[in-house]
Amino acid sequence: DIQMTQSPSSLSASVGDRVTITCRASQSFSNYLNWYQQKPGKAPKLLIYAASSLQSGVPSRFSGSGSGTDFTLTISSLQPEDFATYYCQQSYSAPRTFGQGTKLEIK
Amino acid sequence: EVQLVESGGGLVQPGGSLRLSCAASGFTVSNNYMTWVRQAPGKGLEWVSIIYSGGSTYYADSVKDRFTISRDNSKNTLYLQMNSLRAEDTAVYYCARVAGDSRGAFDIWGQGTMVTVSS
Repeated sequence: DIQMTQSPSSLSASVGDRVTITCRASQSFSNYLNWYQQKPGKAPKLLIYAASSLQSGVPSRFSGSGSGTDFTLTISSLQPEDFATYYCQQSYSAPRTFGQGTKLEIK
Repeated sequence: EVQLVESGGGLVQPGGSLRLSCAASGFTVSNNYMTWVRQAPGKGLEWVSIIYSGGSTYYADSVKDRFTISRDNSKNTLYLQMNSLRAEDTAVYYCARVAGDSRGAFDIWGQGTMVTVSS
């Protein structure tokens, strides 16, 4: 099974900050990497698919990069609605594992 | 409107069974890969199972031989039959569509249904 490790597990930042979250896979799989945002009590929302493609309707301040085993999610200028938990997920093979999550909190 | 609506959650005793349903609208379940994901209280997301459009199914080791994913094409509905339930199966269960053109990302999610396993 492919293990996904996110860092950091939590992060405090301010509105307007640039934030980067990283995700490392235990084995290489090209760009089968997706990022989701989840707010309390809500279902996850797809932000980025195929490592760097922006899902329709997602603001352009979100971007993704990486290939192989190392991936990043960047938020260029944090907005109040961006404080949430973020998960990476590999869709290369079953089980389609998620990272443990990164909780983004207001500083 | 493209959406998924789960139902069937509730309180069940350890060792019991429950069947979750996920009704789709705006697209055809059988033409897509469909999946179940769960989230224990205060924890992260855990992938549970997937069914391919061709009918192949896969499961997380934690639920293998206890859970069964299926679909009813006439009702455009996805199911998760859960048997031999354990306390550690307590979670919100989400169904999701696997987007066909996005390297397998889960693009449409239901609102979730809570399953509590307790005596």
